[in-house]
Amino acid sequence: DTGVSQDPRHKITKRGQNVTFRCDPISEHNRLYWYRQTLGQGPEFLTYFQNEAQLEKSRLLSDRFSAERPKGSFSTLEIQRTEQGDSAMYLCASSLAGEILLTEAFFGQGTRLTVV
Amino acid sequence: AQSVTQLDSQVPVFEEAPVELRCNYSSSVSVYLFWYVQYPNQGLQLLLKYLSGSTLVKGINGFEAEFNKSQTSFHLRKPSVHISDTAEYFCAVSRNSGGYQKVTFGIGTKLQVIP
Repeated sequence: DTGVSQDPRHKITKRGQNVTFRCDPISEHNRLYWYRQTLGQGPEFLTYFQNEAQLEKSRLLSDRFSAERPKGSFSTLEIQRTEQGDSAMYLCASSLAGEILLTEAFFGQGTRLTVV
Repeated sequence: AQSVTQLDSQVPVFEEAPVELRCNYSSSVSVYLFWYVQYPNQGLQLLLKYLSGSTLVKGINGFEAEFNKSQTSFHLRKPSVHISDTAEYFCAVSRNSGGYQKVTFGIGTKLQVIP
């Protein structure tokens, strides 16, 4: 296993279009997180899953954002009706459940979204 | 609420010189502290973490950080930097919140190592 994999690495889309990103976590990791990183800022937590259950989604930025992890393995993040303000790097991370959520989280290389 | 302040957005330093990247945090409860490094077009890599115990924490690539509770700081240091240390460094704090760990990142400090 080579780590957390995200696809695509880059996505350019027109405003108003829908986009979907995929994250494949490290295979034995049961926790998966999505973060957004805008230019000049640190990563901002969006949501996380333990297995297939989405345990926290209140930080998703609007109802245009949704995430799924149907079989407890890979996850998708969808943005509907994209806006220019959605342009950012979307990071995925995974870990084993434990006392400290982020103790051993491993991050993917991210998907850079540009909305034109 | 919790927050993280990274006081320097950019730090230029000559190769083989020492460096300190500053991080201050605020929280009303106990927190865990982390430093991450991000190379261009890459994800985040954990450098080191403070959970409890010794306030001096050693991490990868020769970095270390010291937790100072009274000053609410967690500054990152390296005695001699290398060109390959050029990257962006993020300080993060984490605390229990409603059953999960709420993590807040700072805005990052760009370390530029000059040959």
